[in-house]
Amino acid sequence: NAGVTQTPKFQVLKTGQSMTLQCAQDMNHNSMYWYRQDPGMGLRLIYYSASEGTTDKGEVPNGYNVSRLNKREFSLRLESAAPSQTSVYFCASSERALGQYFGPGTRLTVT
Amino acid sequence: AQSVAQPEDQVNVAEGNPLTVKCTYSVSGNPYLFWYVQYPNRGLQFLLKYITGDNLVKGSYGFEAEFNKSQTSFHLKKPSALVSDSALYFCAVRANDYKLSFGAGTTVTVRA
Repeated sequence: NAGVTQTPKFQVLKTGQSMTLQCAQDMNHNSMYWYRQDPGMGLRLIYYSASEGTTDKGEVPNGYNVSRLNKREFSLRLESAAPSQTSVYFCASSERALGQYFGPGTRLTVT
Repeated sequence: AQSVAQPEDQVNVAEGNPLTVKCTYSVSGNPYLFWYVQYPNRGLQFLLKYITGDNLVKGSYGFEAEFNKSQTSFHLKKPSALVSDSALYFCAVRANDYKLSFGAGTTVTVRA
């Protein structure tokens, strides 16, 4: 039982490049989330998926897109990376917000 | 809107002393409250939650939290802190059926 896994662990992009962050969970949870964490700002929700086939914007969705590929997988795409998107990205899953389980994070640097 | 506040950016305690990390909440209806811990370069780990029942909730690693409805608080406590408890702690409240709202976090440093 791996819980929530994320790939890659680290990534460096140049401004304007694109990439997809992958997330998978094996706990059969319906809901999945993408957050970014920046110093002094806590966790900010980018997008979430309440259940398979649905996605909704969080607090800071601009510059991002998501795909809920199936119940297990939820990916986050940066179409044209900007330095302001330098951050640590966390994926999480839960069953109706009764406690979220987090992945190990992806450290992204955009130069 | 549901929200939590962590009034202290940093808490410093000596090993063996009691540790308290403060959290206050604002909700409409019954609160579902959570504490998470983040060790350096790691994801968040669930510590404990309050849904209903006893006001004193016990969690992982010897932590507990006290729910106080009249003071709208949910403070995290540990009777005797360890150096290994040094980490970033987040309080959270359920915002709706699917989302949590997180506080800004409190950095705990336990000195030997």
